[in-house]
Amino acid sequence: SQTIHQWPATLVQPVGSPLSLECTVEGTSNPNLYWYRQAAGRGLQLLFYSVGIGQISSEVPQNLSASRPQDRQFILSSKKLLLSDSGFYLCAWSGGTNQETQYFGPGTRLLVL
Amino acid sequence: DQQVKQNSPSLSVQEGRISILNCDYTNSMFDYFLWYKKYPAEGPTFLISISSIKDKNEDGRFTVFLNKSAKHLSLHIVPSQPGDSAVYFCAASEENTGNQFYFGTGTSLTVIP
Repeated sequence: SQTIHQWPATLVQPVGSPLSLECTVEGTSNPNLYWYRQAAGRGLQLLFYSVGIGQISSEVPQNLSASRPQDRQFILSSKKLLLSDSGFYLCAWSGGTNQETQYFGPGTRLLVL
Repeated sequence: DQQVKQNSPSLSVQEGRISILNCDYTNSMFDYFLWYKKYPAEGPTFLISISSIKDKNEDGRFTVFLNKSAKHLSLHIVPSQPGDSAVYFCAASEENTGNQFYFGTGTSLTVIP
């Protein structure tokens, strides 16, 4: 069966510090991968998606970036965090026999102070 | 621009009664719709989906209705149980767009025992 992992689960970072959140998927190959952010009182905002290694599409201009160094690894990064980057970050994947559904990881709660 | 809207941020229902969660969308090209359930500090879990060729899909206590002319879908939970208390997100996608999903802002359902 497929599983998706995210770490860390919780992170408190000062403004201006760098960020690296990691997501890995097991049990499937060549998945589509996604990064979402859920900010307080808002829905899920798609940040990045990737259909293959090194292929990243950005949905929203921001100071975040994403990379996919391996087939089942998706990384969300920032060089300098802003207060507005606080939120709940979710990684998701789709693919395999059901291309139409996305499955989410447990999320990372980021607090920028 | 919010293409998927959930206008009710919260809903309270008595245990055993019906819960109706509503969702509206603006993009007529959307052809696949999903509902996700989310508990605090966890990733959303897939609940039920419907494609635009159907107007109803049922899975146990959960039924999703789609009204394409009104660009409206709803999730019915019958009978509601306390364990259904969670935030429910509707999502929509358009075929051949790399599984880009657009999420609503969520409705927090509370089922009162």
